[in-house]
Amino acid sequence: GQNIDQPTEMTATEGAIVQINCTYQTSGFNGLFWYQQHAGEAPTFLSYNVLDGLEEKGRFSSFLSRSKGYSYLLLKELQMKDSASYLCAVSRSNDYKLSFGAGTTVTVRA
Amino acid sequence: ETGVTQTPRHLVMGMTNKKSLKCEQHLGHNAMYWYKQSAKKPLELMFVYNFKEQTENNSVPSRFSPECPNSSHLFLHLHTLQPEDSALYLCASSQALGGVETQYFGPGTRLLVL
Repeated sequence: GQNIDQPTEMTATEGAIVQINCTYQTSGFNGLFWYQQHAGEAPTFLSYNVLDGLEEKGRFSSFLSRSKGYSYLLLKELQMKDSASYLCAVSRSNDYKLSFGAGTTVTVRA
Repeated sequence: ETGVTQTPRHLVMGMTNKKSLKCEQHLGHNAMYWYKQSAKKPLELMFVYNFKEQTENNSVPSRFSPECPNSSHLFLHLHTLQPEDSALYLCASSQALGGVETQYFGPGTRLLVL
C-alpha cells in the first residue's frame, strides 16, 4: 500500500524560500515526482527524483532520501505566480503507477 | 499547453443522464490514464490503458465505463451517476507504462451531478 504525507497549507512572502516536505511509505519504490497545479488547471510536471540527492531546475529544486522515505521541493525567490498546489507522487516499482499525496497549497503574499 | 486536451471542460448532469468525457493526446504516447480529483483529497487513479489495453480498473463502480479506441483517444462514459461522483476528472498520458515515465495531464472536466 501507499501512504504519502505532505502539509496541507503553507504561506510565504514574495522573494522568500519555501520548502515543502513529503514523506512516503511504499512497498516498492521507482521514483518520486513533483507537480504544480494552479486552481482550475491541469497538474504540470516540475521534477522527478530516482536516486538520492538534489535535483536543481532554476528556482525549483527537489531532494530525495530513499532510505528515509523523504523528499522535499524547494521553491526559491518566490513569485506571486508560484501560488498553487504542489503534489508529491510516488511511482511504484511493481506496476509503475503513480500514487499522489493530497497536495500542499502554497500562498505567496506580497 | 495543448499536449493533452479534454472536453467538455465543465459538465452538469442529472443522475439519470448518460454522458461521455473525451480525452485526446498529441504527444505520441502509448499509455493513457483517468484520475478523479476531489477537493482536499489525493488524485485517485481510475483506469489505465497501455497500448490500448486496459491494465487497471481500480475498483471503480460500473457506472464509469472507459473506452480507448486508439493510443491517442480515451473516453469515460458516465451512466446513472451519484452526487458524490461530482469532482474534477483528469486525463493523463505517458510514453508507456514502465520505468520512470512522466505523466502529462489535461485540464480536466469539472463534473457536477445533481
